[in-house]
Amino acid sequence: AQSVAQPEDQVNVAEGNPLTVKCTYSVSGNPYLFWYVQYPNRGLQFLLKYITGDNLVKGSYGFEAEFNKSQTSFHLKKPSALVSDSALYFCAVRDKLSAGGSYIPTFGRGTSLIVHP
Amino acid sequence: DTGVSQDPRHKITKRGQNVTFRCDPISEHNRLYWYRQTLGQGPEFLTYFQNEAQLEKSRLLSDRFSAERPKGSFSTLEIQRTEQGDSAMYLCASSPGTGDIGKLFFGSGTQLSVL
Repeated sequence: AQSVAQPEDQVNVAEGNPLTVKCTYSVSGNPYLFWYVQYPNRGLQFLLKYITGDNLVKGSYGFEAEFNKSQTSFHLKKPSALVSDSALYFCAVRDKLSAGGSYIPTFGRGTSLIVHP
Repeated sequence: DTGVSQDPRHKITKRGQNVTFRCDPISEHNRLYWYRQTLGQGPEFLTYFQNEAQLEKSRLLSDRFSAERPKGSFSTLEIQRTEQGDSAMYLCASSPGTGDIGKLFFGSGTQLSVL
């Protein structure tokens, strides 16, 4: 099965500073990777995806992610953090449920991003 | 596009009772997913539908869990004989079923508390 790991439970950053939320993956074959964000009392929202092509993927709200095959990583980044970016961030990978079965996103444990004023 | 709607937002029940949650996906989305999320964990896949067909249910946590999507529109998730370990956020998501692989649209969830 494909999986992702988010090694940090929490990331703290000052407003205006760059932020990075880490994700590593374990897949057989080519990975399909995603980032989602969950604001308090809201559902998860899609941020961006990597399927193929450029290693730097741009997404919503000024976020981007860098795919690194040699390091099996897909870190989420933003050049200048906002207090409103404070939320839970989930990395996900497309996983096949069974031989001949369906593909669904499988999520990591999540990382809490806290941006301080 | 009114988004994915889930009802109720919160449910408190006593152990042993049955509960049912409803999800209304974005109209014309063919695929509908149910996930469960506990504190400090990411969403855990339970089951999904392509129109009215339940294509994957092997991840339902036990035979106390069942889901339906009778007309390919809204879906219900039922938990029979609830246990305290069932306390969690139950998330519903939908997707068009074609095109944007992996882009799911989530509802705000139903928070279940089993006393």
